[in-house]
Amino acid sequence: DAKTTQPPSMDCAEGRAANLPCNHSTISGNEYVYWYRQIHSQGPQYIIHGLKNNETNEMASLIITEDRKSSTLILPHATLRDTAVYYCIVRSWGATNKLIFGTGTLLAVQP
Amino acid sequence: GAVVSQHPSRVICKSGTSVKIECRSLDFQATTMFWYRQFPKQSLMLMATSNEGSKATYEQGVEKDKFLINHASLTLSTLTVTSAHPEDSSFYICSAINRDRGGYEQYFGPGTRLTVT
Repeated sequence: DAKTTQPPSMDCAEGRAANLPCNHSTISGNEYVYWYRQIHSQGPQYIIHGLKNNETNEMASLIITEDRKSSTLILPHATLRDTAVYYCIVRSWGATNKLIFGTGTLLAVQP
Repeated sequence: GAVVSQHPSRVICKSGTSVKIECRSLDFQATTMFWYRQFPKQSLMLMATSNEGSKATYEQGVEKDKFLINHASLTLSTLTVTSAHPEDSSFYICSAINRDRGGYEQYFGPGTRLTVT
């Protein structure tokens, strides 16, 4: 599975949009981009995933560049409860189903 | 929504004893479950893949005789830490794939905090 690169930490003001970048320049054609987050001392929570089209759900939006080498997770109106470590993971569909976590981005939402 | 539970949430045991952690999918069947370990301020590290009715597949460097995994049914996998030592103290997290949803999402349990004294 391709590796990802994320900034170690980011700050965001409460109520503003949080844009979390992820670089996955070695992604292959059958690999999906997944985003999970982990609030302190809890299990990871699924946020969103995509292949090449932009995706939106009730939690967030996922913007994938046309060449698929990078993506951005957007939390449209960040709240204090969104403070967490956000993990961007690329994974082949159906191969092993394993999710390999990198170091992630610690998003701190400031009041 | 899909819920994965773990029991216990916290356990303290003495060095040399064994500890069993349960992972259950509450409202779906999971043919595949995964076990992760997380040390403080570090990311999750995959330990093993657990398939119902077959032997677990361990990641490189994980001792299969120390971390016994049993996936006896489509809703239950257990991890037993045998002869635990203080260095086994960690946050253990399981996850499960909902086969009815084709494996799009992995659902994670809340984790088990193991402290070995």
